[in-house]
Amino acid sequence: EAQVTQNPRYLITVTGKKLTVTCSQNMNHEYMSWYRQDPGLGLRQIYYSMNVEVTDKGDVPEGYKVSRKEKRNFPLILESPSPNQTSLYFCASSPGTTSNQPQHFGDGTRLSIL
Amino acid sequence: AQRVTQPEKLLSVFKGAPVELKCNYSYSGSPELFWYVQYSRQRLQLLLRHISRESIKGFTADLNKGETSFHLKKPFAQEEDSAMYYCALSGRYTGNQFYFGTGTSLTVIP
Repeated sequence: EAQVTQNPRYLITVTGKKLTVTCSQNMNHEYMSWYRQDPGLGLRQIYYSMNVEVTDKGDVPEGYKVSRKEKRNFPLILESPSPNQTSLYFCASSPGTTSNQPQHFGDGTRLSIL
Repeated sequence: AQRVTQPEKLLSVFKGAPVELKCNYSYSGSPELFWYVQYSRQRLQLLLRHISRESIKGFTADLNKGETSFHLKKPFAQEEDSAMYYCALSGRYTGNQFYFGTGTSLTVIP
């Protein structure tokens, strides 16, 4: 089944403790992206990647890192999480190397930073 | 700057009534516009995109470049249409970024 898989689905952790949210897609998509969803703010793009070893900042990249060493994986790294990063995070992928294709979303990861 | 505006956070309609979810955008050039839907406890999924000009689940959306709008419409709302709806924008001049509106929560009252 074609899908985008995120792990973990839920995580409660404490300020400053490094964490990684994994994202994997099995559709051979070039474009991958991370979003955070906050009430009243909709979805905001954190980082995106147009292909392996190519990543770029979205609207809200502060406090996050990403890497794209393989086409299928696009992990989101919070080196020193803070409470304002408590949010619902979505990974997405789409074919092609530009953003104009429909995106396929994962189920989301709910992060709580205490 | 590229932006997407969904002026209504909440919208309630009765079953069988017409529904229109508004989306306005700001973009220099020809935009790629999408509507995504998120049903309760489910992932976001594409509802439709403007270049395909198709009707999905009875919904249609027409790009109006003069009014810079991409409103989503359905003539007869159904209870299963209750969901969160997001309008989204991308295009050649967004630098490969994707912009979402703040979303409209639609409730269809039985």
